[in-house]
Amino acid sequence: SQELEQSPQSLIVQEGKNLTINCTSSKTLYGLYWYKQKYGEGLIFLMMLQKGGEEKSHEKITAKLDEKKQQSSLHITASQPSHAGIYLCGAGRIQGAQKLVFGQGTRLTINP
Amino acid sequence: NAGVTQTPKFQVLKTGQSMTLQCAQDMNHEYMSWYRQDPGMGLRLIHYSVGAGITDQGEVPNGYNVSRSTTEDFPLRLLSAAPSQTSVYFCASSYSIASGSKWDTQYFGPGTRLTVL
Repeated sequence: SQELEQSPQSLIVQEGKNLTINCTSSKTLYGLYWYKQKYGEGLIFLMMLQKGGEEKSHEKITAKLDEKKQQSSLHITASQPSHAGIYLCGAGRIQGAQKLVFGQGTRLTINP
Repeated sequence: NAGVTQTPKFQVLKTGQSMTLQCAQDMNHEYMSWYRQDPGMGLRLIHYSVGAGITDQGEVPNGYNVSRSTTEDFPLRLLSAAPSQTSVYFCASSYSIASGSKWDTQYFGPGTRLTVL
């Protein structure tokens, strides 16, 4: 099984709806990165969470870190077509950001 | 700043050929890493470096070599290409000493799409 599991693997939502993507680690989390990737393109950094209970927001995207559950969630409010893409979580271990382990990604489709 | 640049964008190789994927960053970052992305498997770490002259293996290092002679450059060499190395390769960099945090934002390059026939 994967060290970092993302759920769901794919998600189709109606424009304007809210959605949540989860990222669960089988090991202790020291830093958790969220990225967005458009098909065939590079990764765009969204947010990084480091402390348990930490919550960050950027425009309509909010990410939280639950240290006890070794889990992070990414929540999108009032989804728009521009939110469509693949969302990836990457976890750092104690050494730092040079060795990230990634989840398999969540493919998000927004229907108009 | 150009950020993280990678060349080439696309490459087709025949089995057994060798080549070097180039990666450069202009942010004075200490950490640089190479990942490969395959369908349904997310990104997997190939090799990484924590500074010039220092490299180490990641999760899937076999068939690849790296070196880091300067802070800016981190080339990835395929010694004898195999069809299993068909993938999209991403270079990433993070952490400048001036920032003071090893959990700095990690920036990714645009990727190199490699096909091995």
